[in-house]
Amino acid sequence: SAVISQKPSRDICQRGTSLTIQCQVDSQVTMMFWYRQQPGQSLTLIATANQGSEATYESGFVIDKFPISRPNLTFSTLTVSNMSPEDSSIYLCSWAGRGTEAFFGQGTRLTVV
Amino acid sequence: EDQVTQSPEALRLQEGESSSLNCSYTVSGLRGLFWYRQDPGKGPEFLFTLYSAGEEKEKERLKATLTKKESFLHITAPKPEDSATYLCAVQGDYKLSFGAGTTVTVRA
Repeated sequence: SAVISQKPSRDICQRGTSLTIQCQVDSQVTMMFWYRQQPGQSLTLIATANQGSEATYESGFVIDKFPISRPNLTFSTLTVSNMSPEDSSIYLCSWAGRGTEAFFGQGTRLTVV
Repeated sequence: EDQVTQSPEALRLQEGESSSLNCSYTVSGLRGLFWYRQDPGKGPEFLFTLYSAGEEKEKERLKATLTKKESFLHITAPKPEDSATYLCAVQGDYKLSFGAGTTVTVRA
């Protein structure tokens, strides 16, 4: 199974700034996903990223706030823009096939002050 | 919309005290039900995939079962290292819908 490396593992950011999270997979995968896990809560899907096309965002998430890039089949980035304290969460990238297990990165713990 | 409900929210066990976690779900066209373990500060770690009612999977002290409406994760004779949050997720189309998890604490 593909191994995912995610960075940074954690960051503390000032409100109003942006942070870009990187996700590298050690083999080519078709679909990658970005999740948010707010404190004490489960995972919420932000968007699905396919190579060569615009990301598909879930209800409540917009491209201006969470722009995503997917330049090739092994790499993706998520940017959290114009951050506020409410954006403090763990952000996770993942890959999965239809009907198969999903594998996750270690997550990025973001604190906005 | 796919929904996943896990119970209980938290479970405190004595070492060796077996118990079960519940995952109730509604999904249009189940492609898979997944169990994950999540330790603090880490991403979810895959445990099991179940595809159809009646299926069972085992790994060490963990056993997952599936019916048409729910799944159970049985922990047999748990050890302190089994302490973690256990997440259940269903896949209907391409995306996973997660439950809120059950946090298990096993005391020595």
